[in-house]
Amino acid sequence: DIVVAQSPDSLAVSLGERASINCKSTQSVLDSSSNKNCLAWYQQKPGQPPKLLIYWASTREPGVPDRFSGSGSGTDFTLTISSLQAEDVAVYYCHQYYTTPNTFGQGTKLEIK
Amino acid sequence: EVRLVDSGGGLVKPGGSLRLSCTGSGFIFSNAWMSWVRQAPGKGLEWVGHIKSNSAGGTTDSGAPVKGRFSISRDDSKSTLYLQMNSLKTEDTAVYYCTTKYFGSLNYWGQGTLVTVSS
Repeated sequence: DIVVAQSPDSLAVSLGERASINCKSTQSVLDSSSNKNCLAWYQQKPGQPPKLLIYWASTREPGVPDRFSGSGSGTDFTLTISSLQAEDVAVYYCHQYYTTPNTFGQGTKLEIK
Repeated sequence: EVRLVDSGGGLVKPGGSLRLSCTGSGFIFSNAWMSWVRQAPGKGLEWVGHIKSNSAGGTTDSGAPVKGRFSISRDDSKSTLYLQMNSLKTEDTAVYYCTTKYFGSLNYWGQGTLVTVSS
């Protein structure tokens, strides 16, 4: 199974500042046939289901603010929030769907400093 | 508007069975690949399994913790996804979410249904 590890486990950032969350997989999730990385990012607020933010590692889901961006390839990926807003307080998960079983990172809790 | 409504959760004793349902609307259910994801209280997300659309073969796959005990099925005439859970264990206690799969990513989620396995 592909293990996906996020860092850090928790993060406190000031409003308006940049927040970055990393995700590392134990093997490449690059689909060579499509040249796309099978990696997604989700945001989960308390009492709510997760919400898809980014797929194919860097494609923003329609309706997601452009302050959210994804980058990386192969085994190393980053979710960046360019200017933190109060409504971004949540737990963020990465998810590899390159192979089954699909696996998720352990989550990163993002708070306001 | 896409909507997924999860139902069927509840309290069940270890060794018991439960069937969850997920009814979809606002999209062509028969074309959708569907997944189940669970989240134990205070914990992270765990992929349970998925089912392809019937046009893609309708096959299922599931994770090791539930293989042989849980089965996923669908009734496209009712736009409904099912998760049959047998031989339940205390560690199966979680909120269970159904999701649509879009080329692998999970783009729409139900609100979740809580399954508690306890004596």
